[in-house]
Amino acid sequence: QKEVEQNSGPLSVPEGAIASLNCTYSDRGSQSFFWYRQYSGKSPELIMSIYSNGDKEDGRFTAQLNKASQYVSLLIRDSQPSDSATYLCAVNNTGGFKTIFGAGTRLFVKA
Amino acid sequence: DAGITQSPRHKVTETGTPVTLRCHQTENHRYMYWYRQDPGHGLRLIHYSYGVKDTDKGEVSDGYSVSRSKTEDFLLTLESATSSQTSVYFCAISPGQGPPRHFGPGTRLTVT
Repeated sequence: QKEVEQNSGPLSVPEGAIASLNCTYSDRGSQSFFWYRQYSGKSPELIMSIYSNGDKEDGRFTAQLNKASQYVSLLIRDSQPSDSATYLCAVNNTGGFKTIFGAGTRLFVKA
Repeated sequence: DAGITQSPRHKVTETGTPVTLRCHQTENHRYMYWYRQDPGHGLRLIHYSYGVKDTDKGEVSDGYSVSRSKTEDFLLTLESATSSQTSVYFCAISPGQGPPRHFGPGTRLTVT
């Protein structure tokens, strides 16, 4: 079992819809969770961090965390074609010394 | 954009040759990381540094070594390149312990 798992996609949504990206992790002691966005041929960029159960909103993005289910999600409201990218879920391991990445989910927003 | 550069950006080398990749930052961040990215595996940590001359291994460190003699520079060396080391290599930086905050543009390495 991989430490951080994501559906590779592609996830295709129409413009204006809500895109829902999901991630599960295996280390129950993990405390910090992150989402990165990576455009094709570019480097990843950190877009969201979440540390406690519940929702965290930043503009059109909402990160959701459920530690009991070991589940993290990213919702993108009013999806735009410019949101088309690969989204990487990342988790800090117990102790917070190392960040483990999932393989990413490709999102395609159709105009 | 954060001041982080990588060199070279592209390299083709032959199996068995040593290769050194350079990461340079102008942010004065304490932590520096080397990751490799391969299809289906995502980003995997090779080595990281938490200060000058302070380094530690990541999850895929075999066949790689690193050095950090100055805050701004972090070198990754493939001691004897193999085809399995064909990948895209990203350097990343962070002001403190935690996730990498900024990534460099990447180096595409091909080992033939």
